[in-house]
Amino acid sequence: GAGVSQSPSNKVTEKGKDVELRCDPISGHTALYWYRQSLGQGLEFLIYFQGNSAPDKSGLPSDRFSAERTGGSVSTLTIQRTQQEDSAVYLCASSSLAGGHALRTDTQYFGPGTRLTVL
Amino acid sequence: KNEVEQSPQNLTAQEGEFITINCSYSVGISALHWLQQHPGGGIVSLFMLSSGKKKHGRLIATINIQEKHSSLHITASHPRDSAVYICAVGAGSFIQGAQKLVFGQGTRLTINP
Repeated sequence: GAGVSQSPSNKVTEKGKDVELRCDPISGHTALYWYRQSLGQGLEFLIYFQGNSAPDKSGLPSDRFSAERTGGSVSTLTIQRTQQEDSAVYLCASSSLAGGHALRTDTQYFGPGTRLTVL
Repeated sequence: KNEVEQSPQNLTAQEGEFITINCSYSVGISALHWLQQHPGGGIVSLFMLSSGKKKHGRLIATINIQEKHSSLHITASHPRDSAVYICAVGAGSFIQGAQKLVFGQGTRLTINP
C-alpha cells in the first residue's frame, strides 16, 4: 500500500515568509509525528498527534512553529516568519497501535521529507 | 551529555566483515528503534525492540535493559549496507501507543568492495 507522503519535496523561501508543509500518513495510522534534520545534524522531534488526544508539542523550537491535523489524517506544519536557521529537512512519520495494544509503541514509518531552504 | 549516544560515529570496513554499532541511552524507555538512512535521505525502520534480540536477514539487534545498551550487528557486510544507522528511543509522554523518538547522532557506515 501507499506509504507516508509529504509535499512539497523541496521548498525555497525568503526569510520572513510563512511556509506550510504537508504530510499524508499511511491510511489507518492514528499517530503522526513531525521531526526535522538540520544539515549535518541529527534528527530532532517537533510534535506528535495521536487520535483525538491533545498533541505533544514539546519539541517545537519557537512559537513560529505550529501544526494541525485535520480529520485525524492529513497534517500541516506551518512555520511563520521563517529564519535561515529553519533550513532543514522536515520529516513526517506515522504509526498505528501495535496490534491494538494501547500500552505498546509501534514502528514508525517515515515519509521522504521536505527540504526547506530559507534564503 | 546526549540522552542517546552512538559509537562509532564513522565506520569503514571491507566487504564481508562483521559490523557492530553500539547505542547507549540514559532515559527510561518503552522501546528502542534502529533506523537506516540511505544517501538519498529516506529513513527505514529496521528494528523495534524492548528486550532480548531480533534478527532479520543479516541484521541482528540486541538490547540490555539493565545496562541501557543496544547493539546492531551486520554479518557478511556488503557495499549496499553503506548508510547512516540511527538509534532512537521512545521517550517522554506516552499517548495510546504513540511516543516521540529521541535520536542518536547516527553512525555513518561505509563498506568497501
